[in-house]
Amino acid sequence: EDKVVQSPLSLVVHEGDTVTLNCSYEVTNFRSLLWYKQEKKAPTFLFMLTSSGIEKKSGRLSSILDKKELFSILNITATQTGDSAVYLCAVEAGGGGSYIPTFGRGTSLIVHP
Amino acid sequence: ETGVTQSPTHLIKTRGQQVTLRCSSQSGHNTVSWYQQALGQGPQFIFQYYREEENGRGNFPPRFSGLQFPNYSSELNVNALELDDSALYLCASSPPGQGGTGELFFGEGSRLTVL
Repeated sequence: EDKVVQSPLSLVVHEGDTVTLNCSYEVTNFRSLLWYKQEKKAPTFLFMLTSSGIEKKSGRLSSILDKKELFSILNITATQTGDSAVYLCAVEAGGGGSYIPTFGRGTSLIVHP
Repeated sequence: ETGVTQSPTHLIKTRGQQVTLRCSSQSGHNTVSWYQQALGQGPQFIFQYYREEENGRGNFPPRFSGLQFPNYSSELNVNALELDDSALYLCASSPPGQGGTGELFFGEGSRLTVL
């Protein structure tokens, strides 16, 4: 059974802090790893990672994948209150034209002013 | 360009009843997938539809069924509702050429409460 584990489950920081969110996985036939931000209901896409060691960056957010150690991290620098959300990691795996995503439980981030 | 829309946004049912949830995919997207998100959990994949055919199914019993229509909109039907079916049901669409993988565009969800 495919498994995705995120840590920590929750995190409370102050504006300006830097945070690192972790995602480890055990899946058969890995295809990609994706990060989403869920503020209220609809998750919104942040990054898709398929290759090890290549950092993806968007503003203050960055992410990297290690396919040997089977994990990814999401970094957020200089956090703002608008970064408060649940961050979801999903891993796509499978084959034969059908790739099923497995999501982790998410990391709930609260940023205080 | 309209995003993914779902209806209804909230509904309350009792055990044993049936429910139908609806989803309109983002304009130009031909693949739709459904997820169940219980409180405090990540979304769980229910199934995916591509060109009106089921193309992948998660670990859900047959009382969870779906349809995709020629305009790529979709329905999720759940029969014989159980208390544990209470959850946020998310629909997501993806554009042609991705094979239903990669970036997903989610709707706001339908919150189902089963009493």
